[in-house]
Amino acid sequence: SAVISQKPSRDICQRGTSLTIQCQVDSQVTMMFWYRQQPGQSLTLIATANQGSEATYESGFVIDKFPISRPNLTFSTLTVSNMSPEDSSIYLCSVGKGGRADTQYFGPGTRLTVL
Amino acid sequence: AQKVTQAQTEISVVEKEDVTLDCVYETRDTTYYLFWYKQPPSGELVFLIRRNSFDEQNEISGRYSWNFQKSTSSFNFTITASQVVDSAVYFCALVSDSWGKLQFGAGTQVVVTP
Repeated sequence: SAVISQKPSRDICQRGTSLTIQCQVDSQVTMMFWYRQQPGQSLTLIATANQGSEATYESGFVIDKFPISRPNLTFSTLTVSNMSPEDSSIYLCSVGKGGRADTQYFGPGTRLTVL
Repeated sequence: AQKVTQAQTEISVVEKEDVTLDCVYETRDTTYYLFWYKQPPSGELVFLIRRNSFDEQNEISGRYSWNFQKSTSSFNFTITASQVVDSAVYFCALVSDSWGKLQFGAGTQVVVTP
């Protein structure tokens, strides 16, 4: 499986600011996914990021709030914009080849606290 | 629509006891994949197993075993002779779309005490 890193590992931010989370993979991957895990909850998919195309967002998530970049096959960023305390969560990226037969592997996550 | 239900919120056991985690899924697709992931306190999600809808063979890997029953739409997970290191949240997940999007259950917290 690929080795996935995320930066920062954790951060504490003020309301109204923005934070960009980086996801780096040690090999080229087709699909990258971003998930949010609110405290004590399960994981919810935010968006799917393919290289060279716009990210595809799930219902309830919009590009203005969670802009995503995917400049190449090993890197992606997720920005959490105009943060509020409700954005306090763990944000995880995952990678895969795509398709229902594929296994997604996850990064270590970014723990975000918004004051 | 697809859905994954993990009815057990938390299970507490004493070390060396067996623990079984239930997972029930719903999907209209005939081809789908089921997964189990482990999330220790560190927060990272660790892949444990993948099973496709056409393979109902049970699987054993060390102290872990999985029982897939299509007739009851269940994919249960058993930890035999539990250890403190097994303490984590365990998620069952389903993929049935062509993108590979994971639908997670709510998770089951397993607490193993010495």
